[in-house]
Amino acid sequence: DGGITQSPKYLFRKEGQNVTLSCEQNLNHDAMYWYRQDPGQGLRLIYYSQIVNDFQKGDIAEGYSVSREKKESFPLTVTSAQKNPTAFYLCASSLRQGGDTEAFFGQGTRLTVV
Amino acid sequence: AQKVTQAQTEISVVEKEDVTLDCVYETRDTTYYLFWYKQPPSGELVFLIRRNSFDEQNEISGRYSWNFQKSTSSFNFTITASQVVDSAVYFCALSEPISNFGNEKLTFGTGTRLTIIP
Repeated sequence: DGGITQSPKYLFRKEGQNVTLSCEQNLNHDAMYWYRQDPGQGLRLIYYSQIVNDFQKGDIAEGYSVSREKKESFPLTVTSAQKNPTAFYLCASSLRQGGDTEAFFGQGTRLTVV
Repeated sequence: AQKVTQAQTEISVVEKEDVTLDCVYETRDTTYYLFWYKQPPSGELVFLIRRNSFDEQNEISGRYSWNFQKSTSSFNFTITASQVVDSAVYFCALSEPISNFGNEKLTFGTGTRLTIIP
């Protein structure tokens, strides 16, 4: 089945550690996105990528890093510089970047700092 | 800056009642897109509808209907004869340009948690 796969579903991180969240899509979409969701808030954009080997910062990129070496993969690293990383992280993709195509979302990764 | 407001934080209705979720947006763009997404307990966002700013025609899809009014900058969502499976968080979103190269991003409202009581 075509879709977006995020792993792991739950992730626990010790303070000071970097962790990487995986996002893979087999929809042949050009654009990919990472969003962060906190309780009672909407989704906020962390990073986005329009094409392979290119990515741009979103609204809350500090403390995060990404790579886009393959079209189907867009991993997110939460670094120790991110002061409040506990949140629900959603990866999305769309056929191209632009409001005329809808974004498809993965099932999310819930990250907790212990 | 663009903004999406969903003033209803939580709504509870008894099954089979109709319910309307409100969405008000702010934008300076003349061309934009509006979206509704559903987030069930499983966590992923499910796309429901996309509406172009030039198309104010209301849309109906089964028990779902959407009322887009540019004059009041609103894009409301109505569920008719609600069912327990409709229980979820619903997000309204607005696309906005973020560069001169055609890049756009979605600005989300804070969501409305809808609970359908059996």
